Amino acid sequence: DTEVTQTPKHLVMGMTNKKSLKCEQHMGHRAMYWYKQKAKKPPELMFVYSYEKLSINESVPSRFSPECPNSSLLNLHLHALQPEDSALYLCASRRPTGGSGGYTFGSGTRLTVV
Amino acid sequence: DAKTTQPNSMESNEEEPVHLPCNHSTISGTDYIHWYRQLPSQGPEYVIHGLTSNVNNRMASLAIAEDRKSSTLILHRATLRDAAVYYCILRGTGNQFYFGTGTSLTVIP
Repeated sequence: DTEVTQTPKHLVMGMTNKKSLKCEQHMGHRAMYWYKQKAKKPPELMFVYSYEKLSINESVPSRFSPECPNSSLLNLHLHALQPEDSALYLCASRRPTGGSGGYTFGSGTRLTVV
Repeated sequence: DAKTTQPNSMESNEEEPVHLPCNHSTISGTDYIHWYRQLPSQGPEYVIHGLTSNVNNRMASLAIAEDRKSSTLILHRATLRDAAVYYCILRGTGNQFYFGTGTSLTVIP
């Protein structure tokens, strides 16, 4: 299995809703990432998990809450989002230690906040 | 984190070679040069990476300048499926990628 699987592919939520995005990989990668991508812009790093521990939070608002319950799974919990949070949310993974290896990205969840 | 500079857009005719440039004048000795591409409505996908020497794989070639301040991704025969945004990214000893603005490649039939 060489994929990162993200669910759902599309999500529409109201500003008072609570929802979660899910990311799963079975490649044995121990570093996992959340990126946010607005239309026609490059992906922006949000969070980094290394060995299931949060190692980087790029000053993301608290309405986004990441969780890494095990080495294969990464969640992003969403609460009280704003319309400007509408974007493509990308998950990625890689081996964290040494070497030159790159990332494997999922296809993303396209989020619309209404 | 070291920055990369790429042209916003480029065009190529189908079945002709494409040279996509990237400047990274502040690269450090331990930074690897990675190239990813993103097709419409998909996540970025790995293309190639290198440190000092030129690299080839089934998708592309990577030519790295001797001073490592620039690199060029070479697609030997562009196809319509190669139309995408191509990102040049430096990865150092940290764990994370920071994307630059990328080059949007249009392939003309």
